[in-house]
Amino acid sequence: DVKVTQSSRYLVKRTGEKVFLECVQDMDHENMFWYRQDPGLGLRLIYFSYDVKMKEKGDIPEGYSVSREKKERFSLILESASTNQTSMYLCASSSPWGAGETQYFGPGTRLLVL
Amino acid sequence: QKEVEQNSGPLSVPEGAIASLNCTYSDRGSQSFFWYRQYSGKSPELIMSIYSNGDKEDGRFTAQLNKASQYVSLLIRDSQPSDSATYLCAVRKGSNYQLIWGAGTKLIIKP
Repeated sequence: DVKVTQSSRYLVKRTGEKVFLECVQDMDHENMFWYRQDPGLGLRLIYFSYDVKMKEKGDIPEGYSVSREKKERFSLILESASTNQTSMYLCASSSPWGAGETQYFGPGTRLLVL
Repeated sequence: QKEVEQNSGPLSVPEGAIASLNCTYSDRGSQSFFWYRQYSGKSPELIMSIYSNGDKEDGRFTAQLNKASQYVSLLIRDSQPSDSATYLCAVRKGSNYQLIWGAGTKLIIKP
């Protein structure tokens, strides 16, 4: 059974703090994605990675960075958290092979920045 | 114009009726189309994918694709209260496995 896990379900941080969100998948997928989801705006892509140590900017990368040192792990870093980064963060993974375009999502991390 | 557009709803449908959800997209070269369901407080999960013009059926769900008119729809037959959720339409962008997402349609099935 496919599984994507995220390090925290809920997180409360202070403005200016450095925040790490971690995502782990056990499906040996090449592609991994970080999204944020806000009411009325849908899913917006922050960064994605199609291989270890590779990363590509999505639509809203400002204020974020990512790290992918191992195939199964994709981390999202908020360098200096701000209140406008309060959101639901969703990690997903997919495989480029066969019928593997399906993106599988983790449970999400609801981040509140005070 | 948004790349993928959906009516935000809410769409209210009586139990047992057919729910019809629509999605339009702007990139005529798009090849892969997906419907995801998202329950409140949960993450999206895939319902169906469709790649060719026409209908694709899976149980109570039917996806319809019309590339000439650039729309994709999802029909839910015999709607159940458990179908109440937000339905997200996604379209594959280019060849790098990125998906472009609609903002979702909230569906409410009334008992």
